[in-house]
Amino acid sequence: NAGVTQTPKFRILKIGQSMTLQCTQDMNHNYMYWYRQDPGMGLKLIYYSVGAGITDKGEVPNGYNVSRSTTEDFPLRLELAAPSQTSVYFCASSPTRSNNSPLHFGNGTRLTVT
Amino acid sequence: DQQVKQNSPSLSVQEGRISILNCDYTNSMFDYFLWYKKYPAEGPTFLISISSIKDKNEDGRFTVFLNKSAKHLSLHIVPSQPGDSAVYFCAASDTGNTDKLIFGTGTRLQVFP
Repeated sequence: NAGVTQTPKFRILKIGQSMTLQCTQDMNHNYMYWYRQDPGMGLKLIYYSVGAGITDKGEVPNGYNVSRSTTEDFPLRLELAAPSQTSVYFCASSPTRSNNSPLHFGNGTRLTVT
Repeated sequence: DQQVKQNSPSLSVQEGRISILNCDYTNSMFDYFLWYKKYPAEGPTFLISISSIKDKNEDGRFTVFLNKSAKHLSLHIVPSQPGDSAVYFCAASDTGNTDKLIFGTGTRLQVFP
């Protein structure tokens, strides 16, 4: 019963490098989300997806890209890493879009850009 | 502009006593509120929620109170246990959709023996 799995757990990037944060869920949830959490701040939505092939921007999408080719996977791409992208990234999923279906979160990826 | 505020970054409570975590919001259109709990090195997990048509929701040791006129909600944990030590996030939505959830900054609760 894995739930939402994120890899890697930690990563250090140099400015300008690119990387993909992986997220996969085994609960057959249609809705998936990427959040970032900066120190002392709440979680902010980067991108979300309502199903395979459909993605949309959240509150802070600049500098990121996503794709959703399958129900299970929702990778987050950073093309040109910047120090402002130093954060903890959480992937989440839910079976519906309603607030009655709370989000299921992964354990996060801690990213440092230097 | 922080629409959901948790003004106490931390709270320390003795085991067995009541823990009260507070959350204030500014958007009067928010109609659904949730609390998430987060342990170190883990993702947040859902704890309890409340709709704006209610003023109280209870689940075991956890009770959430909503005061719409004051735009304030609180989470009560009674009795507090050491395993409750975690960061608690308040979240709110005005559309009924999970993609519009606004999270607070969190309150770190420490329950000591």
